[in-house]
Amino acid sequence: GENVEQHPSTLSVQEGDSAVIKCTYSDSASNYFPWYKQELGKRPQLIIDIRSNVGEKKDQRIAVTLNKTAKHFSLHITETQPEDSAVYFCAATPNAGGTSYGKLTFGQGTILTVHP
Amino acid sequence: DTEVTQTPKHLVMGMTNKKSLKCEQHMGHRAMYWYKQKAKKPPELMFVYSYEKLSINESVPSRFSPECPNSSLLNLHLHALQPEDSALYLCASSHPSLAGGRSTGELFFGEGSRLTVL
Repeated sequence: GENVEQHPSTLSVQEGDSAVIKCTYSDSASNYFPWYKQELGKRPQLIIDIRSNVGEKKDQRIAVTLNKTAKHFSLHITETQPEDSAVYFCAATPNAGGTSYGKLTFGQGTILTVHP
Repeated sequence: DTEVTQTPKHLVMGMTNKKSLKCEQHMGHRAMYWYKQKAKKPPELMFVYSYEKLSINESVPSRFSPECPNSSLLNLHLHALQPEDSALYLCASSHPSLAGGRSTGELFFGEGSRLTVL
């Protein structure tokens, strides 16, 4: 089955700095890579995702890059703000585009702290 | 409506109690999931229902019993739980939809039910 590794486990930055979180996956058939942000006591919320036919996607201050050859993908947050502080999870699935359910495999999470 | 609704939000139960968690979605999704999450850890998949049939049981102890009465509802029945079962239980749903089509991969999570077992 799929295995997703995420680094670093904790990340501390100053407000305005950039933050980068990296994930690697094992299943070359994986074709959908979402990133979730989870604030304390809240549900995971999808912040950005990328599919295997795209190398990069950007949405305002956040961007995701995918390198299929190396089987890794990264989340980039620019101009960080204190409200970006949360736990971030990457995930991967080979099931997107199929006619059945999609089983996501999550990374272990990164605790991001943005200091004012 | 892009919401997945879970009740109750908080539940405290003793080890001999029987209780149920409920989940509802009206997006026409035909895949529904139960996840268990401990603090600062990733969600762990417990069960997947696809077209109202149990498709995945990730070796979950029998004290957790899922039920999918129809395409909009998902229940998790709890009995004789242990204190280590205390966690946030998340329901999620995903495509494919009642209208057919293909899975996009995206999971829609509910707010969760925070369970404490005494």
